[in-house]
Amino acid sequence: GDSVTQMEGPVTLSEEAFLTINCTYTATGYPSLFWYVQYPGEGLQLLLKATKADDKGSNKGFEATYRKETTSFHLEKGSVQVSDSAVYFCALSPSGSARQLTFGSGTQLTVLP
Amino acid sequence: KAGVTQTPRYLIKTRGQQVTLSCSPISGHRSVSWYQQTPGQGLQFLFEYFSETQRNKGNFPGRFSGRQFSNSRSEMNVSTLELGDSALYLCASSLGARTNTGELFFGEGSRLTVL
Repeated sequence: GDSVTQMEGPVTLSEEAFLTINCTYTATGYPSLFWYVQYPGEGLQLLLKATKADDKGSNKGFEATYRKETTSFHLEKGSVQVSDSAVYFCALSPSGSARQLTFGSGTQLTVLP
Repeated sequence: KAGVTQTPRYLIKTRGQQVTLSCSPISGHRSVSWYQQTPGQGLQFLFEYFSETQRNKGNFPGRFSGRQFSNSRSEMNVSTLELGDSALYLCASSLGARTNTGELFFGEGSRLTVL
């Protein structure tokens, strides 16, 4: 079945450091890929998405590129802020079905001032 | 526009009891999905409802059930609670079109503790 493997956490960075959170997936066909973020005490929010190979999703300074050849969707940000501290989830949905998501295990990010 | 509303936010039950959780989707959204979040298993898909019909179901025992009403509000029920059912239950809504590759909008969740 479909699966998502995410970089183990927790990750601790200093403010303005470069962030990479690795995500690889296993799926048939052409899934859509997502990054969701969960702030303390809140539900998940969509951070960015990509629906086909070579698409780049971007939002709030975060970027991720859908790489079908390496089945990856790594999350990057050039300069993190304290307010980026949260748990980040990589997820996929099967082709044509956006409502049943398979999530990675989540990566806790802490940014120190 | 109001977001996804889940009630109750917190509840404590004992083993063997049952529980009902409620979810009100964003106005106009016809699809409601439920997820279980635990430290050990992470986020797992429970089921999805669209126009009062269950459209997808995850790999959970029959003790977990749900329904959707004509106004798109949804409830999920867990019967004969077990300690392992302690979790954050998240509801998510979307427009629901089959070709929709857009986002799910999540509520803040209902945290269930089973003693």
